[in-house]
Amino acid sequence: DAGVIQSPRHEVTEMGQEVTLRCKPISGHNSLFWYRQTMMRGLELLIYFNNNVPIDDSGMPEDRFSAKMPNASFSTLKIQPSEPRDSAVYFCASSIRGGGVSGELFFGEGSRLTVL
Amino acid sequence: AQSVTQLGSHVSVSEGALVLLRCNYSSSVPPYLFWYVQYPNQGLQLLLKYTSAATLVKGINGFEAEFKKSETSFHLTKPSAHMSDAAEYFCAVSDRGNQFYFGTGTSLTVIP
Repeated sequence: DAGVIQSPRHEVTEMGQEVTLRCKPISGHNSLFWYRQTMMRGLELLIYFNNNVPIDDSGMPEDRFSAKMPNASFSTLKIQPSEPRDSAVYFCASSIRGGGVSGELFFGEGSRLTVL
Repeated sequence: AQSVTQLGSHVSVSEGALVLLRCNYSSSVPPYLFWYVQYPNQGLQLLLKYTSAATLVKGINGFEAEFKKSETSFHLTKPSAHMSDAAEYFCAVSDRGNQFYFGTGTSLTVIP
């Protein structure tokens, strides 16, 4: 079975531009998480969805960030407008959660974003 | 509230020596506990997990961890380090709900 698929793997953009990161979770998983990783702040949870519904978005830095999950097989993380401090590796992870099951997270390979 | 503390952001061991990476957790409910490994330019990969079965958990690549409730610890060990073990290691706790809580990570260096 394919793992979590993220695109693009690398993105270089200029400040002010819109950035859209994409994620396809593992089929059958009902929870999806977006994380950001930097040297300074480590691994930060941005938002997570359960059954396509955002459950906790308290980690989203500010209004420039938005995330959607229109269906069980696709999610996007959008940054508009982007700033240099958004440069990081963004990870998507999926899992089977709920009903007493607390499965492990399966991570994608990440999207490395550089904002110039 | 749940949290994870990893003692030592950097650990160096000689090739062939014991690897010990420390993790302490706090949880208001019986936790699920995980260790993940991250190699350079890759995502996090599950090493092993504890979900209230046997307290000694064996994982991939010769790693194991022991759940000690009295010490609220879940330390990761490997009897003999290999060069390929050099990576970042993350401990995580889940509260059996939807949330995962990750530690700040420990970078393992293996000296030849």
